[in-house]
Amino acid sequence: EAEVAQSPRYKITEKSQAVAFWCDPISGHATLYWYRQILGQGPELLVQFQDESVVDDSQLPKDRFSAERLKGVDSTLKIQPAELGDSAMYLCASSTGWTRPRPEQFFGPGTRLTVL
Amino acid sequence: DQQVKQNSPSLSVQEGRISILNCDYTNSMFDYFLWYKKYPAEGPTFLISISSIKDKNEDGRFTVFLNKSAKHLSLHIVPSQPGDSAVYFCAASEIQGAQKLVFGQGTRLTINP
Repeated sequence: EAEVAQSPRYKITEKSQAVAFWCDPISGHATLYWYRQILGQGPELLVQFQDESVVDDSQLPKDRFSAERLKGVDSTLKIQPAELGDSAMYLCASSTGWTRPRPEQFFGPGTRLTVL
Repeated sequence: DQQVKQNSPSLSVQEGRISILNCDYTNSMFDYFLWYKKYPAEGPTFLISISSIKDKNEDGRFTVFLNKSAKHLSLHIVPSQPGDSAVYFCAASEIQGAQKLVFGQGTRLTINP
């Protein structure tokens, strides 16, 4: 069964360091999402790509976060510099598209980030 | 501003009985609602959805009810099984836009043998 792949699964870093997360969506899925889930809360969308283009990055803290999907396939989310408040689970999801009818979003296992 | 709220952080139910998880929303532009299930160390997995043109959708042991006037939806699991123990997230998306999902805080369901 096709799955969304993410790496690393766990990352521990010190404040002010740079970190990067990688996501490989299900083959053929044009839409890719990055979510952040803080402990005790639900996932919150950071950025959404349609192919290589950003559809929504309104909740992405652009002073320190960046995301790219250069060839419209896999994607990288970067934080520089990391802050204590960035400790969270970072989830990647993909879907076949974002036009009606609503396609299901498939989630990867996530990257657990701890900032010390 | 929490647009989707799950007011019960946890719920404990006896195996074989009915589990009812609740979700409230405030945004009247939401027209599509979903429930996701999450096990530890895994990403959320889609469980069931409902469009605002319906008030009920059923899939096996899982039924979602939507009350638009009250801006409330619920997930019923019957009969509950030990494998149903997980965190359940309610999510919603708007009629227009890029189908951004807005999630609730989650409810941890524990099924006791």
